[in-house]
Amino acid sequence: DAMVIQNPRYQVTQFGKPVTLSCSQTLNHNVMYWYQQKSSQAPKLLFHYYDKDFNNEADTPDNFQSRRPNTSFCFLDIRSPGLGDAAMYLCATSRGDSPNEKLFFGSGTQLSVL
Amino acid sequence: AQSVAQPEDQVNVAEGNPLTVKCTYSVSGNPYLFWYVQYPNRGLQFLLKYITGDNLVKGSYGFEAEFNKSQTSFHLKKPSALVSDSALYFCAVRDMNRDDKIIFGKGTRLHILP
Repeated sequence: DAMVIQNPRYQVTQFGKPVTLSCSQTLNHNVMYWYQQKSSQAPKLLFHYYDKDFNNEADTPDNFQSRRPNTSFCFLDIRSPGLGDAAMYLCATSRGDSPNEKLFFGSGTQLSVL
Repeated sequence: AQSVAQPEDQVNVAEGNPLTVKCTYSVSGNPYLFWYVQYPNRGLQFLLKYITGDNLVKGSYGFEAEFNKSQTSFHLKKPSALVSDSALYFCAVRDMNRDDKIIFGKGTRLHILP
């Protein structure tokens, strides 16, 4: 089945130690998103790619970076994780960015910062 | 800015009873409204959307939602609740003022009691 896959399912890192989360998709969708979700709160959009065009949300900290080397893969890099960055990170895709497009989510990566 | 509000943090319903999860919206222009469900330790799954047309929208798992323009509401409903419906439900809207980003409500936790 076509899907959005996130690895790893759980990630533990140390305070200040860089960490990378990965996402892959077999849907061949143009748009890939990264959301941060804390403890039963609404997912918060960090950034998204339309093809190779990167779109950063204004309030996304500089500590968060992203790479999309090809259509299928997208990475979230946290350069110096703080305790406040512990959260579920959700990758999502959509076919395009028209208003009626729905999002397809991966199962998420739960990040813990020690 | 477009927004959605979910006034209830939690809803408890007995199995077999009808359920309603409330959502109100604030948009300029035509609303593009969505419901997503999140099961424990999983990503979000699309349930249904309203773009235009019939005010009653049918979606996955027997859920439906009623779009009410005069009340600016988009409540999620199901005639007969199942224990397996217990999850976190998010209402969402496309923010036409922010490059059509999907903006999520804070979520409503639905507990179906056996």
